[in-house]
This record gives sequence, C-alpha cells and structure tokens, in this order.
Amino acid sequence: DTEVTQTPKHLVMGMTNKKSLKCEQHMGHRAMYWYKQKAKKPPELMFVYSYEKLSINESVPSRFSPECPNSSLLNLHLHALQPEDSALYLCASSQDRTTGANVLTFGAGSRLTVL
Amino acid sequence: GQSLEQPSEVTAVEGAIVQINCTYQTSGFYGLSWYQQHDGGAPTFLSYNGLDGLEETGRFSSFLSRSDSYGYLLLQELQMKDSASYFCAVRDNYGQNFVFGPGTRLSVLP
Repeated sequence: DTEVTQTPKHLVMGMTNKKSLKCEQHMGHRAMYWYKQKAKKPPELMFVYSYEKLSINESVPSRFSPECPNSSLLNLHLHALQPEDSALYLCASSQDRTTGANVLTFGAGSRLTVL
Repeated sequence: GQSLEQPSEVTAVEGAIVQINCTYQTSGFYGLSWYQQHDGGAPTFLSYNGLDGLEETGRFSSFLSRSDSYGYLLLQELQMKDSASYFCAVRDNYGQNFVFGPGTRLSVLP
C-alpha cells in the first residue's frame, strides 16, 4: 500500500461548526504532515508529527487542532474557522528523520470551504 | 529561514525539452526535490538530489549544484499531460520540514 488516504474530499462548513479532516497511511512512515494550499500557491506547512509526537507547529491559529492517535492516523480538528481558511488541506507522510526520508507522499487533499 | 525562487510560467510545444530552474537560500540543506501537481490534484514526487550532479528518471532529469545553491528539472519529449505546476522543495536543517518554492506553471502546446 503506497497511498495516503484523506477524508472527506470536500467539506463545506459554517464559521460556528466543528469538523475534522482525517488522514491514513499504511506505509510504515513515521512522519506525518498537514499542509495548507491556496489556489496557485505552494503548499504551506502547518504541522509535523514525528513518531506520533508533534514536532513542528508553524504558528497555526488555535482554531486548527492536530491529533495523531497512532502511527497510521492523523486528524485535523477544525473549529470556528474563518472564510479565509478555505483552501486545499493536504496530508503527507515520509519515512522519518533519517537521510532516506527525502520523499513526501501526499494524499489527494480535502478541499475546505468556509461560509 | 528558507527561500526558493522559480520562474512563474514556462511554455513549450509537444516533443520539446524544457528546463525549470530553482535557486534556494537555506539555513541548512538536506537535498532538493521536485514535485508535479496537476490542477485539482495533489503534488506527486518526481525526483531528488542530495549530492551534486544529474539524476535521471525516464523523461525527467534533475540537477543540483550545492555550491551555486541551484538546481533544475529537465523535461524531455514533452507531452500534453506534462502541463502542470512544478515545485522545487528543500528539507530544512532539522530534516523534517519540506519548504516549497513558489511553483512553475508549465503549459505544453500542441
């Protein structure tokens, strides 16, 4: 299995809603990432988990809350979002922090619209 | 911090060869990668250079010169399906964060 699976593919939510994005990989990768991508822009790092521990938080507002329940799963909990948070949210994984971990494998993304 | 520069757009015709350049400034360097992203899709890994020189993978090749903080992606025998955005990316000095360049939009014309 060489895939990263993200659900849902599309999500529309109001500013008062609480929702979650889910990501799963079964490649044995020990680093997992959340990226945010706006149209015609590069992916921007939000969070990195390494061995199920949060290792990087790129000053993301607290309305985004990551969770890594185990080595295969990564969630992003959303609450009280703003319309400007509408974007494609990409989950990715890589082997770990060794020199062999030079490849990011991305999921198909969750396209979020905040009304 | 890290910053990367790429041309914003490149246009070429089918069957041609195109080169997409990337220059970078980083506080640490673990290698330069290239990703392809079609409209509406996710980035997919194309190539990686950890050391100076050329890496070849089918129609795609990538080159790195660490002394010049420069690399490029070379696409040969262009096909319509190669129309996409191409991002260079570097790993930071802690090796966990992949920072992406602004992306180059490649349009392949018939």
